[in-house]
Amino acid sequence: GQQVMQIPQYQHVQEGEDFTTYCNSSTTLSNIQWYKQRPGGHPVFLIQLVKSGEVKKQKRLTFQFGEAKKNSSLHITATQTTDVGTYFCAGEFTGSNYKLTFGKGTLLTVNP
Amino acid sequence: NAGVMQNPRHLVRRRGQEARLRCSPVKGHSHVYWYRQLPEEGLKFMVYLQKENIIDESGMPKERFSAEFPKEGPSILRIQQVVRGDSAAYFCASSRESGNTIYFGEGSWLTVV
Repeated sequence: GQQVMQIPQYQHVQEGEDFTTYCNSSTTLSNIQWYKQRPGGHPVFLIQLVKSGEVKKQKRLTFQFGEAKKNSSLHITATQTTDVGTYFCAGEFTGSNYKLTFGKGTLLTVNP
Repeated sequence: NAGVMQNPRHLVRRRGQEARLRCSPVKGHSHVYWYRQLPEEGLKFMVYLQKENIIDESGMPKERFSAEFPKEGPSILRIQQVVRGDSAAYFCASSRESGNTIYFGEGSWLTVV
């Protein structure tokens, strides 16, 4: 079946260090979305990438979509304690009725 | 929270009872999605509904689970004869049109004892 794999599962960093999480899809995606979920909270939409090779930035967050539209990454520069949470990628496959297939997420913890 | 309201937030049921989870989408949104999240797992798609129609229920277990989104009122996810494995967080999301950004509610945490 269509899957979205996400690594690493966990990442612990010192405040100020950078962080990256990666997603890979088994097949080409029509788009990929990123969400952040705080412990005990709900997923909050961060961004959507649609175009091949697209790069988008939100302050310290940089999102990339691969040329083949099968992989994506989220990079956080100089992490802060407020960045703590689980980051999920969610891919939309062509013809999927707009349902999202989520990766298992990367739990980021930041040591102050 | 972009306005998707879910209730109850927490629900405890004994094995064999029924669980009903309600979701009111953002005002003006006619597309509703239900996802299930097990501990330390990603979200799994369950069902996609528009008003009075089920568009895609490929993620719904074949038995005991049903969903509706009536013309009036909230969307309901119903789980009959709950078992311990049904314990999870159930998230509802809505969008104005299919393909638009979806907004998640705060979730309903079901515990089956």
